[in-house]
Amino acid sequence: DTGVSQDPRHKITKRGQNVTFRCDPISEHNRLYWYRQTLGQGPEFLTYFQNEAQLEKSRLLSDRFSAERPKGSFSTLEIQRTEQGDSAMYLCASSRGGLAGRDTQYFGPGTRLTVL
Amino acid sequence: LAKTTQPISMDSYEGQEVNITCSHNNIATNDYITWYQQFPSQGPRFIIQGYKTKVTNEVASLFIPADRKSSTLSLPRVSLSDTAVYYCLVGLNFNKFYFGSGTKLNVKP
Repeated sequence: DTGVSQDPRHKITKRGQNVTFRCDPISEHNRLYWYRQTLGQGPEFLTYFQNEAQLEKSRLLSDRFSAERPKGSFSTLEIQRTEQGDSAMYLCASSRGGLAGRDTQYFGPGTRLTVL
Repeated sequence: LAKTTQPISMDSYEGQEVNITCSHNNIATNDYITWYQQFPSQGPRFIIQGYKTKVTNEVASLFIPADRKSSTLSLPRVSLSDTAVYYCLVGLNFNKFYFGSGTKLNVKP
């Protein structure tokens, strides 16, 4: 399978715990994105990387959230001191880059987080 | 930031053609229009992308009028497996994609 992969697929944690999710993009893609999706809503943009550089962060990304892409390949999203409001599907996408506006994002299956 | 307006839901029957229209009045000159499909508990799946007139691929067609303030996704002969949420996105800057709530398509037998 050469698509975007995410791990784990499901995570249940208790309020106050830290969690970390991993995303492996399509191998030749240099852009990587994180989104969050709650039930009944469309995905909301969180942050984006061009290679290892984090170029944009949404205001949705509070200081409890941090994302890294240390070698420009896989990425991790960490949530510290989780809250029940963090319960959502966390989606990762990657794209090849190139001409802006035509740069199609390909999504992974997501990680569903439940905070008890 | 170009936002979009779509119907919240649509019903159809197997074998029919389904057209989902999206309004994007504030589309910028260099914006492209992209449609995604999403099944429950899965990530969105790219369907089709276009800039003007008509684009067709193996699963759908995309019609864009000259003023580009709207676009229509056409799904020929839908089946039960096409029941999903469909999102229309516009944006020059990939990092400014706004998904909205999408259109929930329900295909009935």
